[in-house]
Amino acid sequence: EAGVAQSPRYKIIEKRQSVAFWCNPISGHATLYWYQQILGQGPKLLIQFQNNGVVDDSQLPKDRFSAERLKGVDSTLKIQPAKLEDSAVYLCASSFRGLDEQYFGPGTRLTVT
Amino acid sequence: GENVEQHPSTLSVQEGDSAVIKCTYSDSASNYFPWYKQELGKRPQLIIDIRSNVGEKKDQRIAVTLNKTAKHFSLHITETQPEDSAVYFCAASKGRSYIPTFGRGTSLIVHP
Repeated sequence: EAGVAQSPRYKIIEKRQSVAFWCNPISGHATLYWYQQILGQGPKLLIQFQNNGVVDDSQLPKDRFSAERLKGVDSTLKIQPAKLEDSAVYLCASSFRGLDEQYFGPGTRLTVT
Repeated sequence: GENVEQHPSTLSVQEGDSAVIKCTYSDSASNYFPWYKQELGKRPQLIIDIRSNVGEKKDQRIAVTLNKTAKHFSLHITETQPEDSAVYFCAASKGRSYIPTFGRGTSLIVHP
């Protein structure tokens, strides 16, 4: 079974620039999550999709972050403009349904200088 | 919202000893409690989970206990091995959709 794919793996940008991350979940997984993991902390859920609908985005900083999953399969997370405090690993995860085991992707390490 | 506290932040043990990591949660409606292991530079992986209708669950050297009254749950690793060294995260979630809140993590170091 192919795992969750993410790209890019690493990204370095300057503050105020824009960046986008891509995630392709495991085939057939209806639920997709984006997490932000700051060094030394646990993952923080940014947004959860069920198919192409948003289940929860209460912790997504909507003034600068946006995410979409238009066809209910792959998803993109965008930051515009980036701030220094956005430096983190952005993890994508998927599960078959809401309460099933989550499978994480390798993450994208973002450095904002 | 839910708040998950995890202790200790660092745990150092000798190979063969047991390790215990504890988490408390604030929302009594939480009903699903997974534990993840994250090795350095790698993705988190689910190692064990427990639902609120169960008090204890075991899987070989790993066990999780849940005390709903006190709102805390613990991870127990027996006969620790150097390959158990990693950061362990607990999480709590409620309702029909899995919307987890993670603890800050425990760095477990197993000395050979």
